[in-house]
Parts: sequence; structure tokens; C-alpha cells
Amino acid sequence: DQQVKQNSPSLSVQEGRISILNCDYTNSMFDYFLWYKKYPAEGPTFLISISSIKDKNEDGRFTVFLNKSAKHLSLHIVPSQPGDSAVYFCAASSGTQGGSEKLVFGKGTKLTVNP
Amino acid sequence: DSGVTQTPKHLITATGQRVTLRCSPRSGDLSVYWYQQSLDQGLQFLIQYYNGEERAKGNILERFSAQQFPDLHSELNLSSLELGDSALYFCASSVSGLNEKLFFGSGTQLSVL
Repeated sequence: DQQVKQNSPSLSVQEGRISILNCDYTNSMFDYFLWYKKYPAEGPTFLISISSIKDKNEDGRFTVFLNKSAKHLSLHIVPSQPGDSAVYFCAASSGTQGGSEKLVFGKGTKLTVNP
Repeated sequence: DSGVTQTPKHLITATGQRVTLRCSPRSGDLSVYWYQQSLDQGLQFLIQYYNGEERAKGNILERFSAQQFPDLHSELNLSSLELGDSALYFCASSVSGLNEKLFFGSGTQLSVL
């Protein structure tokens, strides 16, 4: 049972354009969502997060949108740069159940930004 | 550099063998997590320790065990290895383990032949 789904294994965009990565979840108890970025031969690194009390969080070129009714979140990268090419993981946790041990990851989307 | 150190980076072994993966958390972090990433799979949570005590268990096999030592480093022991145990094993750490972002090491690539 996959509670966090990233249905697009890969995405290719042109430099300067917008990248939109999508994530769906099934567990209505999730209340904290994160995006991690992973380069080859490195561990995932935290990118941005959003609490369920918000519907948008922005950090520079990165914006995460949360639609609780649809159980959907998305990561927007504007403008996309070749250095953004990486695998992006969506993750969710249910803080009310206590602890980051409830952090559930999707399978990831490989983003390629072409110069 | 996340500050989380994992050794070794690569490990090649045979079926039936036992291996130990080591993790040193970021300075000041009390909580350590182990995750497994198999081919085409997301990061599967295995186990979490907080200040030496087991806090939560995920999809960890009985052949696998872990511990966190007084100096807060952690070891993941994998025994009676099978081909399907080949995966990338990540360690992560956080300050308190309470709904916060995790800092990941670069992983140990385990190949069971």
C-alpha cells in the first residue's frame, strides 16, 4: 500500500521554464509534507516543506502547493536551471502520531533540465 | 555536506553472509534513522533510535538489527544475506525526532552476489 505516490518517474524541461513535480497521498492523517532532492552518489537533501495549515510555501525559486481536499501537493521550480537536474522525493508525515519515524517517501521523480 | 557520515560507501558480499553498516549522526543530533532504497523503490523506513533507545520500527526484517551506542553512532547489522537485500542503505539524523526534517548521509551501496 503506497501512501505517497509520485506518478511521473521522470520529467524533462528546458532551462528557464517552469518545472512542476506532483505528489499524491492517501493517508488523511498526514499533516507535514517535505520535498527532498537527490543527486547521484549523494544522500537526499531537504528542499522545502509545508504544514497542513498552509496551502503554499515559497523559498526562492521553489514553491510547494498543498491541496488537502485533493490530497495533492506539487513543487514548482521557476526558473529551472540545469543544476536542478536530480531525483525529487516527496515525503509526508503524521505529526499527530508523533515523530519523524512516520516520514513516508514516494518513489521519486527524475527531473532533467536541458540547457 | 550533511554532516552525517556513513561507512563503508560500497560493500560487496555473498549470500548467507553478515555485514555491519555504520553511521555517525550530525553533531548534536540525538535521533538516527535507517532507510533502505531498492531499485525502483522509494525510501523504505527501517528503524529509528533516539538517544540510544529504539523509538520506532518500520519494514525491518528479522534478519536485520540495529543499535545506537552511547556516543550516538549507530550500526545496522544485516545477516543471512539474500540477493534481494542488495540496495542502497541510508542513515539520517535529526535533533529530536519529532516531526522535523532529516539530514541524510550519502549511503552504503550493498551488493549481495
